[in-house]
Amino acid sequence: LAKTTQPISMDSYEGQEVNITCSHNNIATNDYITWYQQFPSQGPRFIIQGYKTKVTNEVASLFIPADRKSSTLSLPRVSLSDTAVYYCLVGPLGPGTYKYIFGTGTRLKVLA
Amino acid sequence: DVKVTQSSRYLVKRTGEKVFLECVQDMDHENMFWYRQDPGLGLRLIYFSYDVKMKEKGDIPEGYSVSREKKERFSLILESASTNQTSMYLCASSLREGPGLDGYTFGSGTRLTVV
Repeated sequence: LAKTTQPISMDSYEGQEVNITCSHNNIATNDYITWYQQFPSQGPRFIIQGYKTKVTNEVASLFIPADRKSSTLSLPRVSLSDTAVYYCLVGPLGPGTYKYIFGTGTRLKVLA
Repeated sequence: DVKVTQSSRYLVKRTGEKVFLECVQDMDHENMFWYRQDPGLGLRLIYFSYDVKMKEKGDIPEGYSVSREKKERFSLILESASTNQTSMYLCASSLREGPGLDGYTFGSGTRLTVV
């Protein structure tokens, strides 16, 4: 499974757009990019997934360039409740069981 | 609402005790996982199971064992608890197809303190 690199921490102010970039230089052809969010004292939860170009849902957008060696999670107009750790995972879908690596994630702190 | 339930939110055990952490999911998922989470180290995979009675070691299996006698239940066992096993333990489950649109579903975690 592809190794990922993301910033350890980021600070932002309420109302700003936050972009968190994940590098995955060794991404394979059949790998997808999945982002998780973890609030304090809770388990991580799925927020968005994509393969290429752009994906948007009610929570976030995911931008993936053509070479797919990186991806950017975009959180529009963050609020204090977006303070969390964000994890980037890269790996295949389809039948099988995979040892996904969560790593340390990016700790986002939203300030008032 | 689908759920992964971990039996204890907080647990305090003594060094040398045998400790059982229980996890139950109601989604009929084939895959189940145990992670531990420590400050600065992120989530690290201890063991996972892809079917009843099947298990595979993750990245840090030393000092742990697991049991999966029924599809919905995955137990993590600390054979002889030590202080370096003080941590947050997270259980997760997923469909066999991997972390797709529904992703992994995690429990709320068990914070274990070994004294």
